Amino acid sequence: DSGVTQTPKHLITATGQRVTLRCSPRSGDLSVYWYQQSLDQGLQFLIQYYNGEERAKGNILERFSAQQFPDLHSELNLSSLELGDSALYFCASSAGQDNSPLHFGNGTRLTVT
Amino acid sequence: DQQVKQNSPSLSVQEGRISILNCDYTNSMFDYFLWYKKYPAEGPTFLISISSIKDKNEDGRFTVFLNKSAKHLSLHIVPSQPGDSAVYFCVGWDFGNEKLTFGTGTRLTIIP
Repeated sequence: DSGVTQTPKHLITATGQRVTLRCSPRSGDLSVYWYQQSLDQGLQFLIQYYNGEERAKGNILERFSAQQFPDLHSELNLSSLELGDSALYFCASSAGQDNSPLHFGNGTRLTVT
Repeated sequence: DQQVKQNSPSLSVQEGRISILNCDYTNSMFDYFLWYKKYPAEGPTFLISISSIKDKNEDGRFTVFLNKSAKHLSLHIVPSQPGDSAVYFCVGWDFGNEKLTFGTGTRLTIIP
């Protein structure tokens, strides 16, 4: 158990809809990362937050947004969903220093129909 | 239960020499193994993978070896270059359960 909790585990929704994925980092970790894993593209970095503030941005679409709350949990919001958004979405947390290891959650499987 | 273990949190290697990163796993259900490289403030990038039915896969300077009986895999980088300095993640992929399990990473530093 990595200590990182992601909910829900599975999500099935229709095109055009909006969903929210939630991540609770490991106790004491200040940094939260979001990744998208699809079969053909491997693990894609989306965005990172550190202590409530955005620290780094990757290949995140404008239809996607995220935030980290004062209690350090994070939410990834996906809107105007398309079939191609179907993927595994991972959250990871770390203490925040560059050499601190990442601890990954088990992911949320999003299926857009 | 840490199903994928990278027991060396850091490794320093001279430029031009071979870098060997090790990974042990406990879950015999993994169908695939992957290695990712991560630079600071960036997400991990995919490096190389190997199917559980193979024992070796090579791509340029990177070779991954899989020893199923020992539940051990390793990533070899030859020759090591300064740009290889990064954190490397070993990942086990269970297709049936649609689950990726990540190791905690090994920080590789290439010394010029």
